Amino acid sequence: LAKTTQPISMDSYEGQEVNITCSHNNIATNDYITWYQQFPSQGPRFIIQGYKTKVTNEVASLFIPADRKSSTLSLPRVSLSDTAVYYCLVGPRWYSSASKIIFGSGTRLSIRP
Amino acid sequence: DTAVSQTPKYLVTQMGNDKSIKCEQNLGHDTMYWYKQDSKKFLKIMFSYNNKELIINETVPNRFSPKSPDKAHLNLHINSLELGDSAVYFCASSQDSGGQGVGWNTGELFFGEGSRLTVL
Repeated sequence: LAKTTQPISMDSYEGQEVNITCSHNNIATNDYITWYQQFPSQGPRFIIQGYKTKVTNEVASLFIPADRKSSTLSLPRVSLSDTAVYYCLVGPRWYSSASKIIFGSGTRLSIRP
Repeated sequence: DTAVSQTPKYLVTQMGNDKSIKCEQNLGHDTMYWYKQDSKKFLKIMFSYNNKELIINETVPNRFSPKSPDKAHLNLHINSLELGDSAVYFCASSQDSGGQGVGWNTGELFFGEGSRLTVL
């Protein structure tokens, strides 16, 4: 199982760029890196997924170095509504391997005015 | 239109009772899951079904019994509830990406809003 390590909490201010880094030293060849966002009293919501280099969508960017042992989720110009818990997951995309994909404790991001 | 819906949202019951949580997805996905989130916010997979077939059955007490009447529904029945069963239970679904072969999915889970179970 690819274990992930991410900061327990982070604080930032509205309008800033926020980068959350996740370590996954024992990532396997078939593993993808996926980030989810969870608001209180809601289920996690998919943000972005990548395998290598850089992926960008309308919400965030994901930077993955060549060795893939870490990844960085970048949230541009955050707002108060980005206050949430962010989970970094690593695992294969076979549905039968979902048990290998571990949701850790996540990073609690707090955005201040 | 809610993509993955669970009922009830809140459930308070006594120890020893039997309760069910229902889940429905209108996304046309092939795979559905039950996750449990404890008080420390760790989210752990319990079960997974693909086209009504049980795929994943983690180390869960056999008091928990999932049922999938069709691929759009996955219900969770819990017998003889215990205090430690108190948690938020999330249903999720994902889509097979058939182009990569059997067993692959897109890797994106769609979660319901959760069902908070409190056992007194």
